[in-house]
Amino acid sequence: DAGITQSPRHKVTETGTPVTLRCHQTENHRYMYWYRQDPGHGLRLIHYSYGVKDTDKGEVSDGYSVSRSKTEDFLLTLESATSSQTSVYFCAISDRVGTDTQYFGPGTRLTVL
Amino acid sequence: TQLLEQSPQFLSIQEGENLTVYCNSSSVFSSLQWYRQEPGEGPVLLVTVVTGGEVKKLKRLTFQFGDARKDSSLHITAAQPGDTGLYLCPSTLGAGGFKTIFGAGTRLFVKA
Repeated sequence: DAGITQSPRHKVTETGTPVTLRCHQTENHRYMYWYRQDPGHGLRLIHYSYGVKDTDKGEVSDGYSVSRSKTEDFLLTLESATSSQTSVYFCAISDRVGTDTQYFGPGTRLTVL
Repeated sequence: TQLLEQSPQFLSIQEGENLTVYCNSSSVFSSLQWYRQEPGEGPVLLVTVVTGGEVKKLKRLTFQFGDARKDSSLHITAAQPGDTGLYLCPSTLGAGGFKTIFGAGTRLFVKA
């Protein structure tokens, strides 16, 4: 299994509070991704990174920001959580752009009350 | 905008039965991957297909990529309860792109 961990694995928070999710990899892969998974929508890309300090928006980036200060860590921040951001969040990594295999982390289940 | 559809959305079968699930796109896939996701876990890659008409086999699973690279099928022979999960077929648009699109998937339940 690819060395990807996500923390926390579960979190319950209140509307309006900031939340940071962490993705940590030990594979030294260049590319990292954050997705959210909701019933009926599949996995949707929030943000991705193509190198240290190099990030860009995905299809559902509103309300989220990311940072990548070193190769192994990719942080996803909800500046002010809303109930619509209740979801399961997955981090993924790959060593080639887009077309190659993405290895997924175990996910973080976030509930915003 | 590429549309990606998977069918059926849900399938419940008995152990030992055969089944096929489908993945269809409105655009040409640059490459296509099949993943299986078990409850509470992240998706795990099963196969990547790149060439039109390509067929790959993984034990009881047979993957076929359409000649026009706009569709794919996954056939499972003699399904087992361990095949239970959500089957996803994301695709990536264009060379060098990051636009990986996931459909809602096919949720398979194999009863013992």
